[in-house]
Amino acid sequence: SQKIEQNSEALNIQEGKTATLTCNYTNYSPAYLQWYRQDPGRGPVFLLLIRENEKEKRKERLKVTFDTTLKQSLFHITASQPADSATYLCAPEERYNFNKFYFGSGTKLNVKP
Amino acid sequence: DTAVSQTPKYLVTQMGNDKSIKCEQNLGHDTMYWYKQDSKKFLKIMFSYNNKELIINETVPNRFSPKSPDKAHLNLHINSLELGDSAVYFCASSRTLGQVDGYTFGSGTRLTVV
Repeated sequence: SQKIEQNSEALNIQEGKTATLTCNYTNYSPAYLQWYRQDPGRGPVFLLLIRENEKEKRKERLKVTFDTTLKQSLFHITASQPADSATYLCAPEERYNFNKFYFGSGTKLNVKP
Repeated sequence: DTAVSQTPKYLVTQMGNDKSIKCEQNLGHDTMYWYKQDSKKFLKIMFSYNNKELIINETVPNRFSPKSPDKAHLNLHINSLELGDSAVYFCASSRTLGQVDGYTFGSGTRLTVV
């Protein structure tokens, strides 16, 4: 069965450092992979999407990589700020397989001032 | 101006009751979804409607019945509530089915069955 793994332990880093979050998946052949941010008591907010033919995508301080051989995506936040503290979810998506769009359980990021 | 709004935000009810959660989106999107987030924070898709037609119906008990009166609204009715139904339910929308612009989520409805 399909499985998405994100580090369940919280990631604690110091303000100004780069945070790197990992998303591993098995039994998937995603054409896209999405990253979302979720704050307590709120719904997920879409951040970035990367396609299978893209190795890297950037948006402001965010960078996502996608390695279909390793079946892994890395999500980086550079120059992290306390406001970046949240849970980050990844969601691999197979083309035309709409009923298999699942989210990982997320990794909680704590950025300390 | 909230893009995807769902009501109520909190719902506490007894086992066996019937309840509804409403969702509305003002983004002009064609597709709407219901997701369930359990205590372990996994988000699982329950239903998807595209232009008022049911597209996805994951393995969900038939006590759950979605209704879409128009493409801006997707309501969720739950009959005979059980303790295991306690979770946070999220409504979401996307421009079209299988689109790649990301999903817009509502702020969730925390359902507690006692």
